[in-house]
Amino acid sequence: QVQLVQSGAEVKKPGSSVKVSCKASGGTFSSNGISWVRQAPGQGLEWMGGIIPIFDTPNYAQKFQGRVSITTDESSSTVYVELNSLRSEDSAVYYCARGNIVVVPSGDPFFAAFDVWGQGTMVTVSS
Amino acid sequence: QSALTQPASVSGSPGQSITISCTGTSSDVGSYNLVSWYQHHPGKAPKLMIYEVSKRPSGVSSRFSGSKSGNTASLTISGLQAEDEADYYCCLYAGSSTLVFGGGTKLTVL
Repeated sequence: QVQLVQSGAEVKKPGSSVKVSCKASGGTFSSNGISWVRQAPGQGLEWMGGIIPIFDTPNYAQKFQGRVSITTDESSSTVYVELNSLRSEDSAVYYCARGNIVVVPSGDPFFAAFDVWGQGTMVTVSS
Repeated sequence: QSALTQPASVSGSPGQSITISCTGTSSDVGSYNLVSWYQHHPGKAPKLMIYEVSKRPSGVSSRFSGSKSGNTASLTISGLQAEDEADYYCCLYAGSSTLVFGGGTKLTVL
C-alpha cells in the first residue's frame, strides 16, 4: 500500500516562498493524481490544487492562481507544492493526498476522492 | 467559487444515529455525483469515509453511509461510538476542474 511522506516543518518570512515535498513510498501515484489541501489554525480543509502525472497539467483553485505551483518528479515519485508571496494567513498544515481519477462530464480527468494522505507539514509564516 | 454549507456542530449519544448535511447549489452538488466525506481527528491526517456520494472504501465501517437529494448531500453515522467524535468534511467537484470542501462539522459524542 502506497504511503505519502512529506517534508518537515518550515518557518518562513512574509513575502518569501516555501516548497513542500510529498514522496510516495511502497508504490507510485503515476496512474492517480496528487492534490494539496491545507488547514489553517481553527479553519477547515481547503483544496489548493492538484496534478495528474500522466497528463502533467496542474489545476489550481482560483484563490491560489498565480501564487502556487505544483510539480512532479516521477523519477523519485515526488510531488511538490510551492507557494510564493507568503503572508501570515498562509500559516497552516499542508497535506498532500492521492486522488482517484474519474472522467468528469466535460470529458476531462479529475479527482473523485482522496484515499491516501500524507502526514502533514506545518508551515509558519512570521516576521 | 462555490460554497458548501455544513452545520458547525452536531451531537448524539452512543448508539444513536446522526446526519450531517452538505448543501450546495444546482451547479455543484446538484450536478455531479462526485461527493466525498472525510473524518478528521485533530493532529491526524483526514480519512476518506465515503466517495461518489454513497460508496464506502474498504475498511470503513458500514455504520457510515452517504446519500444525496437535490442540492444536498448527507453523511449518516449509525450506532454512534466514542471514536466517531471528530470533524467531518464534505468535498465535491464543482466544475471547471475545481474541488471544494465544506466548512466542516464538529461531531460530539455525548
